[in-house]
Amino acid sequence: NAGVTQTPKFRILKIGQSMTLQCAQDMNHNYMYWYRQDPGMGLKLIYYSVGAGITDKGEVPNGYNVSRSTTEDFPLRLELAAPSQTSVYFCASSPGVEQFFGPGTRLTVL
Amino acid sequence: DQQVKQNSPSLSVQEGRISILNCDYTNSMFDYFLWYKKYPAEGPTFLISISSIKDKNEDGRFTVFLNKSAKHLSLHIVPSQPGDSAVYFCAAASGSARQLTFGSGTQLTVLP
Repeated sequence: NAGVTQTPKFRILKIGQSMTLQCAQDMNHNYMYWYRQDPGMGLKLIYYSVGAGITDKGEVPNGYNVSRSTTEDFPLRLELAAPSQTSVYFCASSPGVEQFFGPGTRLTVL
Repeated sequence: DQQVKQNSPSLSVQEGRISILNCDYTNSMFDYFLWYKKYPAEGPTFLISISSIKDKNEDGRFTVFLNKSAKHLSLHIVPSQPGDSAVYFCAAASGSARQLTFGSGTQLTVLP
């Protein structure tokens, strides 16, 4: 099993550009999550999903959108990138409580 | 308002000694607590967890203690090894989707 995979690993965006961060899991988990981690801080929940077709906002959803059309994939969309979105983004999946994390995407908005 | 707090940004311990990492929380709705370990440029990896109905859980060198009345939990690592050097995050679960709220992390350095 590959577990949770994320692409790309790194990306630099200009202000106002948009992009999609990809996340996939092969463990057939129903729950999936997107977090961001700023320097010296803990992870903050952006969006989560309890199954295909069902998503909900977390603590810091502004500026982001998600969709969940399959159990495996949970992409995160950034529209109109802003410098405040410079961060490391982690995707996670879970069968219940314990969450399994991907390696992260480091995003810089200039 | 931080609902999960790790007040020590860093901790240094000699190899072979005990490492104690602390975490405080404010939300009484949290019913499950987890510790994650994170190396640079990697995602967090699950270490150990405890349900709110227990006060202790042990897994090899790692033990988590929960004091519900004080809203405090701690992670003990005995004996500490250089490979344990990493950032440790405390997290608390709530909600039907088991959303996690994370502390800000403690950088543990185990000195050989």
